[in-house]
Amino acid sequence: AQKVTQAQTEISVVEKEDVTLDCVYETRDTTYYLFWYKQPPSGELVFLIRRNSFDEQNEISGRYSWNFQKSTSSFNFTITASQVVDSAVYFCALSVPQTGANNLFFGTGTRLTVIP
Amino acid sequence: KAGVTQTPRYLIKTRGQQVTLSCSPISGHRSVSWYQQTPGQGLQFLFEYFSETQRNKGNFPGRFSGRQFSNSRSEMNVSTLELGDSALYLCASSLGGSLSDTQYFGPGTRLTVL
Repeated sequence: AQKVTQAQTEISVVEKEDVTLDCVYETRDTTYYLFWYKQPPSGELVFLIRRNSFDEQNEISGRYSWNFQKSTSSFNFTITASQVVDSAVYFCALSVPQTGANNLFFGTGTRLTVIP
Repeated sequence: KAGVTQTPRYLIKTRGQQVTLSCSPISGHRSVSWYQQTPGQGLQFLFEYFSETQRNKGNFPGRFSGRQFSNSRSEMNVSTLELGDSALYLCASSLGGSLSDTQYFGPGTRLTVL
């Protein structure tokens, strides 16, 4: 069975602070993909990043960075120098194509509030 | 390139009615997936269509159905609406040739059942 856990339900930070959103996943398959999506108040899920299970390199994109560690089954997301526009709900998701399906298994999301 | 579009954006229905939601994928994308988002259950997969065929299905009752047209546009239908069907319904499209393709989401249709 596949499972994604985002233990942090809500986080509040003051603008310009750094913040890390945690994601822990479970799967028995060796080939899988991990994703992060952002959901602003408008409701649309905005794709941020995709990683496959064979690529453990960390990635940085502007103020965003991701840390993928297979040893701890974690795929954490850090926002550096947070801004008010970063306020949203962030979802971590897992897909396991080896099951013959492409559906995403989502965590419960972390609501980030950046206070000006 | 235009993103995924969903219509209508908001719907209000009463129990027992049926509803049809529409999704137009990104140009060139052949796979369309539907998800239901509720405060209690979170984001749950409904079904996926690829080349007009249902390729995958989640654990929802038969009242939830869908279809895909030759231009890859998809519709989702819910019959005999229940109060618990109130949710944000999100559609996602992907290229579809590979099960690992990234899914891009539309703005959603917010359904309220009274």
